[in-house]
Amino acid sequence: GQNIDQPTEMTATEGAIVQINCTYQTSGFNGLFWYQQHAGEAPTFLSYNVLDGLEEKGRFSSFLSRSKGYSYLLLKELQMKDSASYLCAVLGSNYQLIWGAGTKLIIKP
Amino acid sequence: NAGVTQTPKFRVLKTGQSMTLLCAQDMNHEYMYWYRQDPGMGLRLIHYSVGEGTTAKGEVPDGYNVSRLKKQNFLLGLESAAPSQTSVYFCASSPGQEYQPQHFGDGTRLSIL
Repeated sequence: GQNIDQPTEMTATEGAIVQINCTYQTSGFNGLFWYQQHAGEAPTFLSYNVLDGLEEKGRFSSFLSRSKGYSYLLLKELQMKDSASYLCAVLGSNYQLIWGAGTKLIIKP
Repeated sequence: NAGVTQTPKFRVLKTGQSMTLLCAQDMNHEYMYWYRQDPGMGLRLIHYSVGEGTTAKGEVPDGYNVSRLKKQNFLLGLESAAPSQTSVYFCASSPGQEYQPQHFGDGTRLSIL
């Protein structure tokens, strides 16, 4: 079967750094996406990784290891507005996205 | 600056009723998708379209039908609503390559009583 695992919920402090992990087992791999979804809103694109390594984009970075079936999203200098769910999605062999259930990130002052 | 627009935003139906959810995009995107999002689960693909006049089944197509008569519009129909179809429905579009990010509408919150 195909499976994507993320922690259900994480808590972090404003100004700190948090790492959200995603592990996957899929039939085929054509890239991994991270999306942000604020409560009651639409998911919005954060990053796409298809090669191993770290992609940095401002305060957000995303890492991929294809051999380990593992990715993480790193958020630095956390702000209250970063409180949201973070969705990991893998582009499988049929070029359809397989979505994780999301990680709800709570930021405390 | 509209992007992807979904109508309606909220709807309550009785079991057995039918309805159509409308999705419109103004970005000239080729691909369009319908997902449902349920608590504790990832987004699940219902149907998708890779161009005007084409549709294909996703992971959970039963109980739903779709049509893409115009490039900018993608309609999702429920012929006979069931309580199991209570969910938040998201429409998304992308330019035309699978590795390009999808742009989502704000969702339709549908309750079936």
